[in-house]
Amino acid sequence: TQLLEQSPQFLSIQEGENLTVYCNSSSVFSSLQWYRQEPGEGPVLLVTVVTGGEVKKLKRLTFQFGDARKDSSLHITAAQPGDTGLYLCAGFNAGKSTFGDGTTLTVKP
Amino acid sequence: DAGVIQSPRHEVTEMGQEVTLRCKPISGHNSLFWYRQTMMRGLELLIYFNNNVPIDDSGMPEDRFSAKMPNASFSTLKIQPSEPRDSAVYFCASRNRRVDEQFFGPGTRLTVL
Repeated sequence: TQLLEQSPQFLSIQEGENLTVYCNSSSVFSSLQWYRQEPGEGPVLLVTVVTGGEVKKLKRLTFQFGDARKDSSLHITAAQPGDTGLYLCAGFNAGKSTFGDGTTLTVKP
Repeated sequence: DAGVIQSPRHEVTEMGQEVTLRCKPISGHNSLFWYRQTMMRGLELLIYFNNNVPIDDSGMPEDRFSAKMPNASFSTLKIQPSEPRDSAVYFCASRNRRVDEQFFGPGTRLTVL
């Protein structure tokens, strides 16, 4: 069974602060996705990382895939209230994804 | 471009009743996934199909759960009989097998009383 552990589980910060969310596993994945989910909606894809050590930037969000393709991080710079939501990482192998339990982020104005 | 469509969005039923959830994947996507999300267990994969064929149903909790995909544009997840512990949000997602990303529908919030 492939497990993905996300930390922290909950994060509450003030607008303008920086934060990092971690996604760790003992399994190697062919790719890893990050999703954001808002209440009452389905998860929405943010990014896919494929290559070990890969870094992708999406405006104020920076995603990194570990060199061994077992872990990933999401860094948000100058968080805004609109960043509030549940952030999920998902490791992809053999046609299906394994999801972490998620990090619930609250950004207070 | 329509995304994944699920119906109903909300379902409230009584224990013992049959529940049928419906999903229309994104056109051209040839993999379809059914997930269940709860606070306690997070997002769990129930079953997935490739080209309308069930590939992995190891996540289906019990024989009360069944899923079908009669054609490339429609799938159902049925619970018979339903129980209160089945209350959750059920998501359908689809994927083009040439890429790894899945696209989720808005979910069906099921409440079994």
